[in-house]
Amino acid sequence: NAGVTQTPKFQVLKTGQSMTLQCAQDMNHNSMYWYRQDPGMGLRLIYYSASEGTTDKGEVPNGYNVSRLNKREFSLRLESAAPSQTSVYFCASSEYGGPGGYGYTFGSGTRLTVV
Amino acid sequence: KNEVEQSPQNLTAQEGEFITINCSYSVGISALHWLQQHPGGGIVSLFMLSSGKKKHGRLIATINIQEKHSSLHITASHPRDSAVYICAAEPNTGNQFYFGTGTSLTVIP
Repeated sequence: NAGVTQTPKFQVLKTGQSMTLQCAQDMNHNSMYWYRQDPGMGLRLIYYSASEGTTDKGEVPNGYNVSRLNKREFSLRLESAAPSQTSVYFCASSEYGGPGGYGYTFGSGTRLTVV
Repeated sequence: KNEVEQSPQNLTAQEGEFITINCSYSVGISALHWLQQHPGGGIVSLFMLSSGKKKHGRLIATINIQEKHSSLHITASHPRDSAVYICAAEPNTGNQFYFGTGTSLTVIP
């Protein structure tokens, strides 16, 4: 029972480099989310996918793109990394929208540093 | 402007103490959630509340919809309860959840 799997766990990028954060869930959830967590701030939604084939912007989408590859996978891409994107990124999934209960599950996080 | 405010930001308690963490929100909600984030970073869902009270082991969550306030209580606290506790408001409309900045709890043996 893996739940939500995120890769990589740690990454250091140089400014301007690109990378993709991968997320996969094995719970047959419809909705998937990408959040970032910064010191002194709550989790902030970057993008979400309410169902396979749909994606929508969250609170802080600038500088990111996403792909809902299939029902299991939801990737987050940084095309040209900036130091302001240094953060911890969490992927999550749920049967329906909701950060707790009803099977809402977080991945273990990716700590990204952009230098 | 934060739609969800938590207090205190940091809390240190002696093992065995009764702990209360507070959460106030300003938006109309369909549910209020409590999450736990351990030092390793993993986030676990604790409760989802739309009214009244829920209990799970030594954890109790309450909500007062009229006052837009929720509390998380921990009875007989233990060092393994040390974590960041996050309150999140699920609004009536839209898919944007509002998260508090978290309460960092340290329980000392």
